[in-house]
Amino acid sequence: DAKTTQPTSMDCAEGRAANLPCNHSTISGNEYVYWYRQIHSQGPQYIIHGLKNNETNEMASLIITEDRKSSTLILPHATLRDTAVYYCIVRVSGSARQLTFGSGTQLTVLP
Amino acid sequence: DGGITQSPKYLFRKEGQNVTLSCEQNLNHDAMYWYRQDPGQGLRLIYYSQIVNDFQKGDIAEGYSVSREKKESFPLTVTSAQKNPTAFYLCASSFPGQGGTEAFFGQGTRLTVV
Repeated sequence: DAKTTQPTSMDCAEGRAANLPCNHSTISGNEYVYWYRQIHSQGPQYIIHGLKNNETNEMASLIITEDRKSSTLILPHATLRDTAVYYCIVRVSGSARQLTFGSGTQLTVLP
Repeated sequence: DGGITQSPKYLFRKEGQNVTLSCEQNLNHDAMYWYRQDPGQGLRLIYYSQIVNDFQKGDIAEGYSVSREKKESFPLTVTSAQKNPTAFYLCASSFPGQGGTEAFFGQGTRLTVV
């Protein structure tokens, strides 16, 4: 599985958009980009995933660069409840061993 | 409601004792996983299973054992051979072999060795 690189921490003002970057320069053609988040002492929560195209759901938007070597998770209007560790994962299609988590980005939403 | 349930939420054990953590899912998922998380760290894969009666070691399997006798259940035993068992343990499940499928996580079991 491709490795990912994320900043250790980020701050964002409440009500503003939070843009969380992820580099995955060794991503291969059959790997999806997944984002999860983990609020303190809880299990990780799925946010969004994509292969090539940009994706949007009720929680967030995912922007993947044309060369697929990096992506950005966008929380359009961050709230205090969005404070969490955000994990970017790339996942090989066809394998069960496909959830490899790094250290993630600690996002702190400030009032 | 469909979901994945871990029990107990908190667990204490004496040094030298084995302990089993429960993980049950009613999502009809074939694949199940166990992770360990230490304070301030990411998740590390202990064991995973793609189908019933089959499982594979992850990155840190030493001192742990699992079984997969039923599709719904994937219990993890922390044995006395695990030198530093105090940690937060997370179970997850998903459909294997389909790249565009999310994984669901339980709420975790916090194990403390006393």
